[in-house]
Amino acid sequence: QVTLRESGPALVKPTQTLTLTCTFSGFSLSTSGMCVTWIRQPPGKALEWLARIDWDDDKYYSTSLRTRLTISKDTSKNQVVLIMTNMDLVDTATYYCAREIPAGPRLDYWGQGALVTVSS
Amino acid sequence: DIQMTQSPSSLSASVGDRVTITCRASQSISRYLNWYQQKPGKAPKILIYAASTLQSGVPSRFSGSGSGTDFTLTISSLQPEDFATYYCQQSYSPPRTFGQGTKLEIK
Repeated sequence: QVTLRESGPALVKPTQTLTLTCTFSGFSLSTSGMCVTWIRQPPGKALEWLARIDWDDDKYYSTSLRTRLTISKDTSKNQVVLIMTNMDLVDTATYYCAREIPAGPRLDYWGQGALVTVSS
Repeated sequence: DIQMTQSPSSLSASVGDRVTITCRASQSISRYLNWYQQKPGKAPKILIYAASTLQSGVPSRFSGSGSGTDFTLTISSLQPEDFATYYCQQSYSPPRTFGQGTKLEIK
């Protein structure tokens, strides 16, 4: 079955760089049409779409966060990595990775989320 | 970017009620509209995709409609497990923006 799991530091300091890893199973990112997306959700607030990487290595970013985000994949390890630079207090959020499939398209499987707190 | 606006932001209803949540896109997105349900402390779950297609396993009391810029999610008869927050998302083009959410609470 399809599973995704986010991992990374629970606490980062302001100005530091955050590296999150999404490790997945049950599908391959080398399969045509498959994509992995990162979404975040500050406490008590709405979902925010961050970035997506496609099976063919196309990449898409949030317009407002584009300059701070980098997404990459390691197909052999079934992992997608999101790097966010210059972390700020407002970046405190639960970060989710999810699979996007072409039918829809839609986010059909999500990880459980990883809470990242930015604090000095 | 395509902006997605949901209304209302919150809604109080009773078990058995019929409720409708609206989502409006800032430009035409054809039928590229998804609905997700999120319960506290959990990841969102896909309910409806392509505006009106029910995700496998989702109860038939959920339905979606609309095209272009205006969409609705309807729950025909609220059940206790339906009290949650609902989000729309456009899948027309990246960045695939979400609405701000509608919190459905028990009256």
